[in-house]
Amino acid sequence: QSALTQPRSVSGSPGQSVAISCTGTSSDVGVYNFVSWYQQHPGKAPKLMIYDVTKRPSGVPDRFSGSKSGNTASLTISGLQADDEADYYCCSYADTNTVVFGGGTKLTVL
Amino acid sequence: QLQLQESGPGLVKPSETLSLTCIVSGDSISSDYYYWGWIRQSPGKGLEWIGSIYDGGSAFYNPSLKSRATVSLDTSKMQLSLKLSSVTAADTALYYCARQGWRPVPKDFDNWGQGRLVTVSS
Repeated sequence: QSALTQPRSVSGSPGQSVAISCTGTSSDVGVYNFVSWYQQHPGKAPKLMIYDVTKRPSGVPDRFSGSKSGNTASLTISGLQADDEADYYCCSYADTNTVVFGGGTKLTVL
Repeated sequence: QLQLQESGPGLVKPSETLSLTCIVSGDSISSDYYYWGWIRQSPGKGLEWIGSIYDGGSAFYNPSLKSRATVSLDTSKMQLSLKLSSVTAADTALYYCARQGWRPVPKDFDNWGQGRLVTVSS
């Protein structure tokens, strides 16, 4: 069970859109629609932003959206705001009741 | 409102067993809709799932930690526990407990505790 692959960092200016990729394999992301995304501000616990690839929990702005194509899932944040600057992690179900996280991506709002 | 609170020793000696508990309040730990899990984060690093369990069922573990980790539930105390044996410095991390959705499979973590920092050092 290997960690999902995410870019180490991405950046964007306020108002722009950014996408964060999460690449797995045909044993996790590629075969199951159970990808979730988490936002983590420094010193804080992770917060669920997207689940089941595309669904948003109550209270999460619709600026956050998820998608998947093949073995790669993506989190897109539109209308970037300063408070979106954080670390983002993907997670996928990966067979036999296990889950695997990505290595995390640091989003910088320029 | 669901709350999870981790507790346990902040310092553990190498080769000993790390023991943490997580008190759940605001929701039943016996819910049919949720697993309860442990996730850790080494300093400056990413998240790593350790293991999860649901009331009345078996625990499931990260294969890389399976031989050393034990996750259990005490529904009478509304408490989730983690034991990690034979610890080394590599086990130094912030340990989180979290509620995990599981229909139809264990998947996303929708509520997290604040985390408990555990340092492994002599």
